[in-house]
Amino acid sequence: QVTLKESGPVLVKPTETLTLTCTVSGFSLSNARMGVSWIRQPPGKALEWLAHIFSNDEKSYSTSLKSRLTISKDTSKSQVVLTMTNMDPVDTATYYCARICGTIWGYYYYMDVWGKGTTVTVSS
Amino acid sequence: DIQMTQSPSSLSASVGDRVTITCRASQSISSYLNWYQQKPGKAPKLLIYAASSLQSGVPSRFSGSGSGTDFTLTISSLQPEDFATYYCQQSYSTLIFTFGPGTKVDIK
Repeated sequence: QVTLKESGPVLVKPTETLTLTCTVSGFSLSNARMGVSWIRQPPGKALEWLAHIFSNDEKSYSTSLKSRLTISKDTSKSQVVLTMTNMDPVDTATYYCARICGTIWGYYYYMDVWGKGTTVTVSS
Repeated sequence: DIQMTQSPSSLSASVGDRVTITCRASQSISSYLNWYQQKPGKAPKLLIYAASSLQSGVPSRFSGSGSGTDFTLTISSLQPEDFATYYCQQSYSTLIFTFGPGTKVDIK
C-alpha cells in the first residue's frame, strides 16, 4: 500500500523558514518515472503546485515562489523535504505531498496518491 | 507558464443530473491534462489522467475528453458522493505543473 505522510511545524513566525518532510512508504523514491510533488491550499482557496522532485533528482519549482523554495530527497530514508524561506501570513495553508507517476506511453505524469496534508499557520 | 481556467466556477445540480465541467489551457497541452476531486477537509483524489484515462477504482460515470487547449470532465449521473470541488491540472510541462481554479459542485 502506497502512503505519504507530511510532517512539520503547526505554527511558524513571519520571516522564519518552514521545513516540511514527506515520508513515503510502499514505493521507492528511486523508481523510474516517479517523483513527489508539494502542493498547498490556503483556507477556502484553490490548490497551488509548489515544487517536485523526480527519481533522477530532476527538480522544478513554482515560478512565483522559486526564490524561496528548496526541495530535496533522501532515498534511503524515503523522505522528501521542502523548505520555504521568509514565511509570511499569506503562506498559511494546508501543505500536501503527492506521488507523481508517469506512464510508459507518452510520459503522461499525474499525482495518484496524496498525503492527508499538514496545516501550517504563519503568525507572530 | 501555462495558465489554466475552469468554467463554471460553481454549479448547482441534482442527483441524477449530467454534469459537465470545462478546463482551458493558455496554450496547447496535447492530452497532458488530469482531473482531481476534492471534498471538504480531504486531500484531492485523482479521477482522470492523460485527459481521458480513468484512474483505477474511479466509477465509470466519470469521463474526460479533449485535447489541445479545451477539455471537459463529465459526470454522467451525479451521485450524492460527487458533491465536491473539481480541479484540472496540466502536466505538459514536467518542469511546471499548474492547477485550474476549481469548480465547486453543490446540491440544487
